[in-house]
Amino acid sequence: SLVLTQPPSVSVAPGKTARITCGGDSIGTKSVQWYQQKPGQAPVLVIYYDDDRPSGIPDRFSGSNSGDTATLTISRVEAGDEADFYCQVWDSGSDRYVFGGGTKVTVL
Amino acid sequence: EVQLVESGGGLVQPGGSLRLSCAASQFTFSYYYMTWVRQAPGKGLEWVATISHDDSEKYYMDSVKGRFTISRDNAKNSVTLQMNSLRAGDTAVYYCVRDGDGHTYGPLYYYYGMDVWGQGTMVTVSS
Repeated sequence: SLVLTQPPSVSVAPGKTARITCGGDSIGTKSVQWYQQKPGQAPVLVIYYDDDRPSGIPDRFSGSNSGDTATLTISRVEAGDEADFYCQVWDSGSDRYVFGGGTKVTVL
Repeated sequence: EVQLVESGGGLVQPGGSLRLSCAASQFTFSYYYMTWVRQAPGKGLEWVATISHDDSEKYYMDSVKGRFTISRDNAKNSVTLQMNSLRAGDTAVYYCVRDGDGHTYGPLYYYYGMDVWGQGTMVTVSS
């Protein structure tokens, strides 16, 4: 069954670029969503359909997806971006949603 | 404001039952798939169950099949998760989530992500 693998943590200095990967078998053939969760809060959708942003999400957040890796990129990182980020897909082969294990982004 | 409000969480003994409810407001509820996602303390997100906008499809994670039942009432704008034979491993915050628009996008509803989340309700299974 499909497993999505994310790095446990990513550290980035303010103003720099953070890249969070999500690895999975042929994930490039699937639609990938990304969620941001700050401590004590419910998750928020930041990217859907690989690289689309919901209204209200800054254009500093972008996504890409190809082959076996999807990537969430956060440009010009701000202190307020510090959070856990999760990738997610629908695995049509097994009729189930799959979440990655999550990546904690720390702003130095 | 589009909103989801969960209720029904609490402390239950192993083997017991709980019924979680989610009240939706300010959107056309009957258009959307609805999903429950849980998060154990200090852990990541875990999908639990999804129901289609028209109640024709239901999907469950393997470990809850046969124990949990998702249902909806489009007339009352509500979705429910009936949880039976609860185990310690079911302890988590349970989120009610608005999934994709099945009315508009049909089988490609999941392309559009889970865009509205409730505040969550805590379920603790312990003796």
